[in-house]
Amino acid sequence: DSGVTQTPKHLITATGQRVTLRCSPRSGDLSVYWYQQSLDQGLQFLIQYYNGEERAKGNILERFSAQQFPDLHSELNLSSLELGDSALYFCASRWGDRGTGELFFGEGSRLTVL
Amino acid sequence: GENVEQHPSTLSVQEGDSAVIKCTYSDSASNYFPWYKQELGKGPQLIIDIRSNVGEKKDQRIAVTLNKTAKHFSLHITETQPEDSAVYFCAASLSRSNDYKLSFGAGTTVTVRA
Repeated sequence: DSGVTQTPKHLITATGQRVTLRCSPRSGDLSVYWYQQSLDQGLQFLIQYYNGEERAKGNILERFSAQQFPDLHSELNLSSLELGDSALYFCASRWGDRGTGELFFGEGSRLTVL
Repeated sequence: GENVEQHPSTLSVQEGDSAVIKCTYSDSASNYFPWYKQELGKGPQLIIDIRSNVGEKKDQRIAVTLNKTAKHFSLHITETQPEDSAVYFCAASLSRSNDYKLSFGAGTTVTVRA
């Protein structure tokens, strides 16, 4: 158990809809990262937050947004969903900006868009 | 941005044999190279990492080598066991103080035959 909790584990929705994925980082971890894993593809970095502030952005679509709350949990919002958004979305956390680079991943939220 | 290529995409080895996975990266400024193992239904987990100031690192049956000149690094698993069957991802990152986003390879599915 990595200590990172993601909900929901599975989600099925229709095109055009909006969903919210939730992540609780390890206790004490200030950094949260979101990754997308599509079929036969590696992990694509979406966005990083550190202590409530956006720190780095990857190839995140404009239809997607995220935030990190004062209690350090994070949410990834996906709107106007398309079939191609079907993927496994991972959240990872890390203690801070410095030191070990190890990311601790949750078990992912599998999104299916029909 | 950083581009990481990983080969092979699949690898089948006999139990007890060695497995080697190779990755190349594009950004010569990258200085942190972790390897993650993803078991079925789980999130990726760090198994070993190496920084650019060393050329090789070992941890029991696992070793990683880094060639900065050629911009490639490799994972070596010796005496493979059935529990080594998983998807392995290499990654590269420039570990600045406020930016630790990892660029991952596409993954290698390793199957260890009993």
